Amino acid sequence: NAGVMQNPRHLVRRRGQEARLRCSPMKGHSHVYWYRQLPEEGLKFMVYLQKENIIDESGMPKERFSAEFPKEGPSILRIQQVVRGDSAAYFCASSPSGAVAKNIQYFGAGTRLSVL
Amino acid sequence: DQQVKQNSPSLSVQEGRISILNCDYTNSMFDYFLWYKKYPAEGPTFLISISSIKDKNEDGRFTVFLNKSAKHLSLHIVPSQPGDSAVYFCAAIWMTGTASKLTFGTGTRLQVTL
Repeated sequence: NAGVMQNPRHLVRRRGQEARLRCSPMKGHSHVYWYRQLPEEGLKFMVYLQKENIIDESGMPKERFSAEFPKEGPSILRIQQVVRGDSAAYFCASSPSGAVAKNIQYFGAGTRLSVL
Repeated sequence: DQQVKQNSPSLSVQEGRISILNCDYTNSMFDYFLWYKKYPAEGPTFLISISSIKDKNEDGRFTVFLNKSAKHLSLHIVPSQPGDSAVYFCAAIWMTGTASKLTFGTGTRLQVTL
């Protein structure tokens, strides 16, 4: 039973380019979460999605960032016109349910984005 | 506004001794608390959780204690092993409608020495 898969593991972009981060949840999981970790900081919630729906995007920057979780395929976190401050580790997690009692979120290994 | 706080960035404990990692929170609406362990270049791994209606949960060498009046929880690892060396994140969940996002602390780096 494969875990949460994120790719790429490392992504290097120049300022102004677009970054696309992919996340395939664990089998049977329909809830996906994206977090960002800046150096020396904890993980910050960005967005929570179910299939084809954004449930909570309160942690997403208002501009340049978007996320989707289509009916088929992985969840995508898209960052347009990247800036140096976007350099961070981006983690995806999935859970079988959004209910608290079952909301053990399982994390992928992360994508480390470096903006030159 | 940091709602979940881990005030000790690092902790060093000798192998075989008890490791105690602390976490404080400010939001009394949190329903559930979790501890995650993270090795370098890997994602966080779920370790143990506790409901806000409990005061203790034990799983093998790991025990989490919750003191709601003090808004404080702690993770005890006994006996500590070198493989426990990692960063430990405290996290909390507050159910708002159908959303249940995790709010993380900044982590405590545990080093278990021989």
